[in-house]
Amino acid sequence: TQLLEQSPQFLSIQEGENLTVYCNSSSVFSSLQWYRQEPGEGPVLLVTVVTGGEVKKLKRLTFQFGDARKDSSLHITAAQPGDTGLYLCAFNFGNEKLTFGTGTRLTIIP
Amino acid sequence: ETGVTQTPRHLVMGMTNKKSLKCEQHLGHNAMYWYKQSAKKPLELMFVYNFKEQTENNSVPSRFSPECPNSSHLFLHLHTLQPEDSALYLCASSPLMGLVGEETQYFGPGTRLLVL
Repeated sequence: TQLLEQSPQFLSIQEGENLTVYCNSSSVFSSLQWYRQEPGEGPVLLVTVVTGGEVKKLKRLTFQFGDARKDSSLHITAAQPGDTGLYLCAFNFGNEKLTFGTGTRLTIIP
Repeated sequence: ETGVTQTPRHLVMGMTNKKSLKCEQHLGHNAMYWYKQSAKKPLELMFVYNFKEQTENNSVPSRFSPECPNSSHLFLHLHTLQPEDSALYLCASSPLMGLVGEETQYFGPGTRLLVL
C-alpha cells in the first residue's frame, strides 16, 4: 500500500508571511499533482509534474519535486487570504489511479 | 454549462431512505470517479468507470451502488446507509486512464451527505 503523508496537517499564518508544506511518499511515483480545495468546492489542479528534480512556479507558488521521486514541497511567498484552503498532493504510482495525501489545511489571517 | 456538476449539493437522509447522487461532466472525458471525503481522512477512491465500464470497486459496501449510463453521466445510488457514511461525496472525470500526464482529475463541487 502506497502511503502519502503531508505536513503540517494544519497551518495558520499571517498575511504576507512565507510558508512551505511537504508531501512524502513511501514509494517512487510516476507523476505528481498538487490540488487546492476551497470550502464548499471540489479540489482544483494547481500543477502536474512528471520529471524528478523539477521546479515549477505558478505566480507566488513554487513547487519542488525530489530527485528520488518520492517527495515534494510547495512554497508560498507573501501569503494572501485567497490562498486559504486544503492543499492536496496526489501521486500516480503507475497503476492508473491517483493516490491522494492527507492534506494540509492552510489558513491565512488578514 | 461547463465542467463537472453534481446534484444535489446537500442531502439529509434517514438510514432507511433510498436516494441517488448525480454527476455530469461536460468535458468530453472518458473516465469518471466517485470519491468519499471525510474529516481527517484522505480522499477515498470508491469507484472508477472507464469508457462506461466499471474498472474499480475499492471494497465499497453494497449499500453504495454506482451506475454509468454513458461517458457523461455517473450516479451513486444510496440505500440503508449508516451515520458513518456522512461525508462529502466528490465526482471527478479525467480524459483517459493509464497514461502518465493524462490522469488530471476535474472535480465537481461535491454532495454534502448527512445520514441521521
